[in-house]
Amino acid sequence: GAVVSQHPSRVICKSGTSVKIECRSLDFQATTMFWYRQFPKKSLMLMATSNEGSKATYEQGVEKDKFLINHASLTLSTLTVTSAHPEDSSFYICSARTSSLGTDTQYFGPGTRLTVL
Amino acid sequence: GEDVEQSLFLSVREGDSSVINCTYTDSSSTYLYWYKQEPGAGLQLLTYIFSNMDMKQDQRLTVLLNKKDKHLSLRIADTQTGDSAIYFCAEILGGYSTLTFGKGTMLLVSP
Repeated sequence: GAVVSQHPSRVICKSGTSVKIECRSLDFQATTMFWYRQFPKKSLMLMATSNEGSKATYEQGVEKDKFLINHASLTLSTLTVTSAHPEDSSFYICSARTSSLGTDTQYFGPGTRLTVL
Repeated sequence: GEDVEQSLFLSVREGDSSVINCTYTDSSSTYLYWYKQEPGAGLQLLTYIFSNMDMKQDQRLTVLLNKKDKHLSLRIADTQTGDSAIYFCAEILGGYSTLTFGKGTMLLVSP
């Protein structure tokens, strides 16, 4: 159990286009979903926290108009990178939090590799 | 400085034990986690420990927590080449849901 999927796993796009990444909890309902970005030195940076049915909470320095998050249901959150630029190229990872599996923890998706040309 | 610190690299031989260390600064940490990341993949939860525990064992994995020194370690017994990956230590604070990660330790297991 506790599987989180992301789609697509890889995407290459032209500068100026928008890209949508989906994050789904497949076998549990997630009270909260998180979006992370992984930088080349391996550290993970939390971008935003989203709860179903409410606006996402963005971390300082993350542009909410550029990284649009929609948490449509307890099993789906989407991250849209609008007007992508090469500096947005990165590995984006989502996670889903639940306390329904016996412990309060986060389960991570496999990540999406975004390359902006 | 960093809230969670780890050494960046560890190299061991197959069959040996690996010990990956982590230090954290916030004494209000309630949960501490170890995640594994294989190349090109997302994070996989390996194990976690509550802050009121000193040790947790799960098959080949042993987690030791020294709250006084704010030190967490992950021991992998009988390390295999398939254990080669980046290992992240993370803490979660009090009533918050967000995780603070270390930069990860790259474990390289040679035959």
